[in-house]
Amino acid sequence: GAGVSQSPSNKVTEKGKDVELRCDPISGHTALYWYRQRLGQGLEFLIYFQGNSAPDKSGLPSDRFSAERTGESVSTLTIQRTQQEDSAVYLCASSWRLSTYEQYFGPGTRLTVT
Amino acid sequence: AQKVTQAQTEISVVEKEDVTLDCVYETRDTTYYLFWYKQPPSGELVFLIRRNSFDEQNEISGRYSWNFQKSTSSFNFTITASQVVDSAVYFCALSEYGQNFVFGPGTRLSVLP
Repeated sequence: GAGVSQSPSNKVTEKGKDVELRCDPISGHTALYWYRQRLGQGLEFLIYFQGNSAPDKSGLPSDRFSAERTGESVSTLTIQRTQQEDSAVYLCASSWRLSTYEQYFGPGTRLTVT
Repeated sequence: AQKVTQAQTEISVVEKEDVTLDCVYETRDTTYYLFWYKQPPSGELVFLIRRNSFDEQNEISGRYSWNFQKSTSSFNFTITASQVVDSAVYFCALSEYGQNFVFGPGTRLSVLP
């Protein structure tokens, strides 16, 4: 079947606006992860879901960031009042189960805050 | 706490040379999983290998091989006869059972023709 998809692929927004990023995991994958990758940097963990529960939100950088997931499908990452330091590629990944299985990554959403 | 160290920030080799990418991890668990991912210039991360902590057998897949040594907490990755297409950033990752993944900072490999 299809891999992990993310939309939009690119988003340019003005500072202070809200943005919503979407992730469609591989069908049947119960675990879903969000990461942030700044230019030339490694992966920064943001949040993961097991089903629609998010037991670990410790990676969210601030209270401007939130995420939700509907059942074991689509997830949205919302950034409110965007700041220039939010500019990065936001990567979503899914896996069959939490932690024990490899993650499959989407192509990412490149967010640019002007 | 989990931690993954990839001490080599950047490596450059000439095509056909062998190259080893180092990965050292820290964990308190006895059950854990190790992974390698490749991120080519196109950007999309590609899964390469998964290993559990109870399986220390080395693995070979074509030109790729992995050396897992629990005694030194290392999971090194060797590319034999490197090719230009191997140029990418390579990430090592660790997951303790039931916990999230922790990725290393990555090693940028450049294979020159």
